Amino acid sequence: KQEVTQIPAALSVPEGENLVLNCSFTDSAIYNLQWFRQDPGKGLTSLLLIQSSQREQTSGRLNASLDKSSGRSTLYIAASQPGDSATYLCASWGGAGSARQLTFGSGTQLTVLP
Amino acid sequence: KAGVTQTPRYLIKTRGQQVTLSCSPISGHRSVSWYQQTPGQGLQFLFEYFSETQRNKGNFPGRFSGRQFSNSRSEMNVSTLELGDSALYLCASSLVYQNGSGRASTGELFFGEGSRLTVL
Repeated sequence: KQEVTQIPAALSVPEGENLVLNCSFTDSAIYNLQWFRQDPGKGLTSLLLIQSSQREQTSGRLNASLDKSSGRSTLYIAASQPGDSATYLCASWGGAGSARQLTFGSGTQLTVLP
Repeated sequence: KAGVTQTPRYLIKTRGQQVTLSCSPISGHRSVSWYQQTPGQGLQFLFEYFSETQRNKGNFPGRFSGRQFSNSRSEMNVSTLELGDSALYLCASSLVYQNGSGRASTGELFFGEGSRLTVL
């Protein structure tokens, strides 16, 4: 069964700092990995999708990498801003056939201090 | 372009009742998946529907069921509600594409705001 772990569980940084969020998964046969942010009481907002054939994706100040062999993905946030404060979740599709399912990590709660 | 719409946003039920939640996907998206989010268990996958057929299913009891209509709108139903069913229920829609192996793969997920269910 796929397991997804996110470290750290919480992170507090001063505004302007660059930071890295980590996501590890046990099933290297994933075919997609996606990063989301969730604001309190809200749904999830898609940040980046990395397909299994890709190694990284970039959008603005965000860069996500995927290393299937080591079972790791990282989300890099450059020049953090208070508006980046949220919970960041990674999720991967694992399993095969009808047993394929999406597994989420427990998230990293990020606070960017002004 | 309208996003994923979930209704109702909030509802309160009592134990033993049943509930039906609705999800309208982004136009053109034919895959709809459902998730349960609780403080203790986090986000858990319930099931995915594509072209009116359930493609994948998570590890939930048979009290949790769903269906998809020809216009891709989806509903999920929870029967015989228990206190532990109190949660935020999220749905997501996506395109489906052919991957390098020729299999239909779910693309980027777009989530609705969720339906918050409280069971008393």
